[in-house]
Amino acid sequence: GQQVMQIPQYQHVQEGEDFTTYCNSSTTLSNIQWYKQRPGGHPVFLIQLVKSGEVKKQKRLTFQFGEAKKNSSLHITATQTTDVGTYFCAGDATWGGGADGLTFGKGTHLIIQP
Amino acid sequence: NAGVMQNPRHLVRRRGQEARLRCSPMKGHSHVYWYRQLPEEGLKFMVYLQKENIIDESGMPKERFSAEFPKEGPSILRIQQVVRGDSAAYFCASSPQGQVYEQYFGPGTRLTVT
Repeated sequence: GQQVMQIPQYQHVQEGEDFTTYCNSSTTLSNIQWYKQRPGGHPVFLIQLVKSGEVKKQKRLTFQFGEAKKNSSLHITATQTTDVGTYFCAGDATWGGGADGLTFGKGTHLIIQP
Repeated sequence: NAGVMQNPRHLVRRRGQEARLRCSPMKGHSHVYWYRQLPEEGLKFMVYLQKENIIDESGMPKERFSAEFPKEGPSILRIQQVVRGDSAAYFCASSPQGQVYEQYFGPGTRLTVT
């Protein structure tokens, strides 16, 4: 079955440093989604990437989808304490309307030291 | 516009009892997904339902677990004869269409089996 691997599992940064998490799928994806989960909270949708090579920005967050549509990254510039949480990528290998649940990576826990 | 609602938020059951978790999707959403999350782990897809139909239950354990989404009322995830290994957070998500759209997560039900 489809597997989505995410690294690193944990990332400690000083406030103000940059942060990147990487996501790799064992199969080609139709789209990839990113979610953020605060400690004790629930996942919150951040963005969806659909096109090969797509790059999207949300303020300090930059999301990329690889040319082969098998990998993706999330980069945060100048981290702030509000960025603390776990960032999950979720791959969808569904093509043409088939039914599959999203496959989530195990997430990257971002810990920020002030 | 109320978000995805789940209840109860916390549920304690003794081994052998039944657990019923309820999920009301966002207004206008007809697709519901259930995920299980163990501490420090990612979200594991369990089942995807539309009204009165199970679309994909490939992530659901074959025994003791069942899910439904009736024409009226919330979606129910039912776990019979719970065991300690069932202790986890169970999240429900909904979307207006299928997988191409982002999923909106509820606050989760934290099940503890004693």
